[in-house]
Amino acid sequence: EIVLTQSPGTLSLSPGERATLSCRASQSVSSSYLAWYQQKPGQAPRLLIYGASSRATGIPDRFSGSGSGTDFTLTISRLEPEDFAVYYCQQYGSSQTWTFGQGTKVEIK
Amino acid sequence: QITLKESGPTLVKPTQTLTLTCTFSGFSLSTSGVGVGWIRQPPGKALEWLALIYWDDDKRYSPSLKSRLTITKDTSKNQVVLTMTNMDPVDTATYYCAHTRPIEIRGAFDIWGQGTMVTVSS
Repeated sequence: EIVLTQSPGTLSLSPGERATLSCRASQSVSSSYLAWYQQKPGQAPRLLIYGASSRATGIPDRFSGSGSGTDFTLTISRLEPEDFAVYYCQQYGSSQTWTFGQGTKVEIK
Repeated sequence: QITLKESGPTLVKPTQTLTLTCTFSGFSLSTSGVGVGWIRQPPGKALEWLALIYWDDDKRYSPSLKSRLTITKDTSKNQVVLTMTNMDPVDTATYYCAHTRPIEIRGAFDIWGQGTMVTVSS
């Protein structure tokens, strides 16, 4: 089973700053089956990025994903007040199982 | 517009079996390439994938929970049911169902239900 490790655990930034979140896999993630989600308190997760770099429907272009193999990054180019939340990465493996990372909290500095 | 909604008991006793139902609209689970999964989240903790059923009735389970889980679908009712046996307090969590098209969107879950909180306590 592939383990996803996200870093940092918490990111303290101000609105307007750039956020860079990391997701590292214990084995190579095949065909970029890597997704990113945003979750706010009391809400279900929202899909941001799939296929490592494709934005989901309705997601602003300040969100971008990159990476391949074992190292993936979610970048928020300029933080808006509504972007402060917890972010999860998720992979879909060759054994047709899914795993999530432990999350990165982006908080207001 | 795709929507999903989870339903089931809010409180179960240890050792009991939990049965959750996901009722959805806006798509058919008989359409090729579609799947519905279950994911849970203990209070203050990370998401954990549990199970998924495909349009063709193929099923996948989390290796760590496989012995306790069963997922089924009723296409005519637009429902997916998850059962989890031998419930324990550590299974206390919000349980979500979610829609996916594993090939088209690379295994991501694009639409989620609102979640249902299940507490395991005697």
